[in-house]
Amino acid sequence: DAGITQSPRHKVTETGTPVTLRCHQTENHRYMYWYRQDPGHGLRLIHYSYGVKDTDKGEVSDGYSVSRSKTEDFLLTLESATSSQTSVYFCAISEGTTELPLHFGNGTRLTVT
Amino acid sequence: SQQGEEDPQALSIQEGENATMNCSYKTSINNLQWYRQNSGRGLVHLILIRSNEREKHSGRLRVTLDTSKKSSSLLITASRAADTASYFCATDPITSGTYKYIFGTGTRLKVLA
Repeated sequence: DAGITQSPRHKVTETGTPVTLRCHQTENHRYMYWYRQDPGHGLRLIHYSYGVKDTDKGEVSDGYSVSRSKTEDFLLTLESATSSQTSVYFCAISEGTTELPLHFGNGTRLTVT
Repeated sequence: SQQGEEDPQALSIQEGENATMNCSYKTSINNLQWYRQNSGRGLVHLILIRSNEREKHSGRLRVTLDTSKKSSSLLITASRAADTASYFCATDPITSGTYKYIFGTGTRLKVLA
């Protein structure tokens, strides 16, 4: 398995609090992605990074920010969590050519009460 | 909006039978990939088919791609209980401009022993 670690694996937080999820990789892959998975919606791209300090928005980026200060770490922050952000969040990495697969972490289950 | 839509949403078959699931997408693509997700885990890459390919095989998996209909199918032959999982297609749209993979909503496959 690709070396991808997501932390925490589970988190319960209250509405309005800030939350940061971490994705750590040991593969030295250039591209990193944050997806959320919800029933009936499959996986939706939140943000992605194509290098250190280089990030861009996905299709559901509102309410989320990201940072990548090192190749191995990609942080997803919910500035003020809302109940609609209750979801399972997946980090994925890629070497950057579209003919190579994404490798996924095992997800973070976030519940916002 | 979701690029890919899988059909059916859920499928239940007996061990030894074949399972077929379909994916339709909206815009022209560079390639299409299929992933499997076991319960509580991240997605695992199964197979990639390029836009200039029509069929591809990998073990018990057979993937077809019809770019004129913007659709793909995944066939799992001689299914096993261990094939029980959700299956997702992911496309790399030509218009995305970068390595943004768009996932479908998934097919839940249950293989009964």
